[in-house]
Amino acid sequence: QKEVEQNSGPLSVPEGAIASLNCTYSDRGSQSFFWYRQYSGKSPELIMSIYSNGDKEDGRFTAQLNKASQYVSLLIRDSQPSDSATYLCAVDTGANSKLTFGKGITLSVRP
Amino acid sequence: SQTIHQWPATLVQPVGSPLSLECTVEGTSNPNLYWYRQAAGRGLQLLFYSVGIGQISSEVPQNLSASRPQDRQFILSSKKLLLSDSGFYLCAWGGGGSPLHFGNGTRLTVT
Repeated sequence: QKEVEQNSGPLSVPEGAIASLNCTYSDRGSQSFFWYRQYSGKSPELIMSIYSNGDKEDGRFTAQLNKASQYVSLLIRDSQPSDSATYLCAVDTGANSKLTFGKGITLSVRP
Repeated sequence: SQTIHQWPATLVQPVGSPLSLECTVEGTSNPNLYWYRQAAGRGLQLLFYSVGIGQISSEVPQNLSASRPQDRQFILSSKKLLLSDSGFYLCAWGGGGSPLHFGNGTRLTVT
């Protein structure tokens, strides 16, 4: 059973702070990793993709991947109230073209 | 660019009634297509995926079925809805190492 675990929430941070979201996965053969943001009542939207070990930065977002430790994280710098949403971690093991999603963590940014 | 259309946006159906949700993708050929369901407060559950016309893989045995009559069309159906079928249904394309891109979703309420 391939699993993707996200730390339990909700997570609350003040405006301007760094929000750190973590995710671990069980399948060591996983190749591709994604972070999605989902606003209440809306569909998930892709915010970051990462495929190799290390950091990948895109604006205020940084994804970090450590395949040896089987975790992937998302850092949101200078958090804004508009970042308040549920964040989903997704892992593609490369088998059968399927993504496995974590249950998500709800982030609340306090003005 | 690729776009994905999903309809209807909301649907209220009585128990025992049939269901048909449709999804179409534009701007790409032979996409991998997926149906997910998200129950209230829960994660994304993969229901069906398809790698080509007429090729459907089912992930969860239930009273739902899927069909892919054309390359960029994916249909989710049921002959008789159950209360437990209520949820947010999402169609997506992509995968195979690349991220999934979701449609806007259909919120189904079975009464």
